[in-house]
Amino acid sequence: SQQGEEDPQALSIQEGENATMNCSYKTSINNLQWYRQNSGRGLVHLILIRSNEREKHSGRLRVTLDTSKKSSSLLITASRAADTASYFCATRHQETSGSRLTFGEGTQLTVNP
Amino acid sequence: DSGVTQTPKHLITATGQRVTLRCSPRSGDLSVYWYQQSLDQGLQFLIQYYNGEERAKGNILERFSAQQFPDLHSELNLSSLELGDSALYFCASSVWTGNTGELFFGEGSRLTVL
Repeated sequence: SQQGEEDPQALSIQEGENATMNCSYKTSINNLQWYRQNSGRGLVHLILIRSNEREKHSGRLRVTLDTSKKSSSLLITASRAADTASYFCATRHQETSGSRLTFGEGTQLTVNP
Repeated sequence: DSGVTQTPKHLITATGQRVTLRCSPRSGDLSVYWYQQSLDQGLQFLIQYYNGEERAKGNILERFSAQQFPDLHSELNLSSLELGDSALYFCASSVWTGNTGELFFGEGSRLTVL
């Protein structure tokens, strides 16, 4: 089963609005990453936040991490139609061997022009 | 372009058959990961190799096997195919096995089992 669970499963907004996606996980992590996937394409890394960090920014992206609640959020500001994609959180857990990432189910974001 | 190359992009085959998916990692990356993405199961980790050795195993069926060759390319072999094996199979690479950073994904191989 997936460690990460995103919500909402789907989000539809207008261009220019902000989009917030949430991710929850179950066990302790080393880091949490967000990836983007355009329909039928490969996943692209967006941002990584370590377990000792609380907030991180990259361009229009803002990620927060609350390890006490085992949750993270991804905020995309001033959204554009080109931001339409699926967004996945992925966690690397302390107890797992190797360095696999465990992905959530994803949030399908639609930005309407 | 992530630098990870997967072939073939699309594959249609029949139940009971065997297929091989190929992955060339980014130049310099020693770790290769295989993931399966289906509509009902999401993105499932299958297996990881580092410099030719298996390092982590996930939800990989016994009918599936993989290996990483000395030139670091990897192959995922799927045998006795079933309808439920239809999915998008992704390869990803990273620099080393202890990596805490990002994975670089290929564009995937879409397998359709009829």
